[in-house]
Amino acid sequence: DTGVSQDPRHKITKRGQNVTFRCDPISEHNRLYWYRQTLGQGPEFLTYFQNEAQLEKSRLLSDRFSAERPKGSFSTLEIQRTEQGDSAMYLCASSYPRGGSLNTEAFFGQGTRLTVV
Amino acid sequence: RKEVEQDPGPFNVPEGATVAFNCTYSNSASQSFFWYRQDCRKEPKLLMSVYSSGNEDGRFTAQLNRASQYISLLIRDSKLSDSATYLCVALSGTYKYIFGTGTRLKVLA
Repeated sequence: DTGVSQDPRHKITKRGQNVTFRCDPISEHNRLYWYRQTLGQGPEFLTYFQNEAQLEKSRLLSDRFSAERPKGSFSTLEIQRTEQGDSAMYLCASSYPRGGSLNTEAFFGQGTRLTVV
Repeated sequence: RKEVEQDPGPFNVPEGATVAFNCTYSNSASQSFFWYRQDCRKEPKLLMSVYSSGNEDGRFTAQLNRASQYISLLIRDSKLSDSATYLCVALSGTYKYIFGTGTRLKVLA
């Protein structure tokens, strides 16, 4: 499967615990995104990497959240001291701007569904 | 005000009907637009890009009106399998995809 891969697919954790999610983008894609989606809402932008550089972080991303993409390939999203409000679907996406085209779609992974109890 | 706004629906339509969704965007500098489809508890999947001249893909037609800052999606001859949430997306700047809340469509037998 050459699509975006996320692990784990589901995570149940107790409030206060730390969790880490992994995303493997499509191999030639240099752009990687993390989004969060709650029920009835569209995906909300969290952060963006171009290769290994994290170029933007949303204000939604409190200091309990940290994301890395150490070698410009896979990425991790860590949430420390989880809260019930962190319960959501965390989606990873990747894209590659072909020839500088702006009409470049993002491809999404299947997401990690986090439940904080 | 959200940067991309959609009517959340739900739109309940009979099989075979034609249905249209509109979406407005507030950032006049946005250059690229997309429609994604999302099935329940699944990831968004690209349905189609939206070009300035409008584009058609089978039963689906997308249009862009830059003057009024809205995008539309028309689905002809609706199928039961079209039931899903349709997400309108604007590319803000050169890399940030901004999603609307989505419009729920239910096609009824």
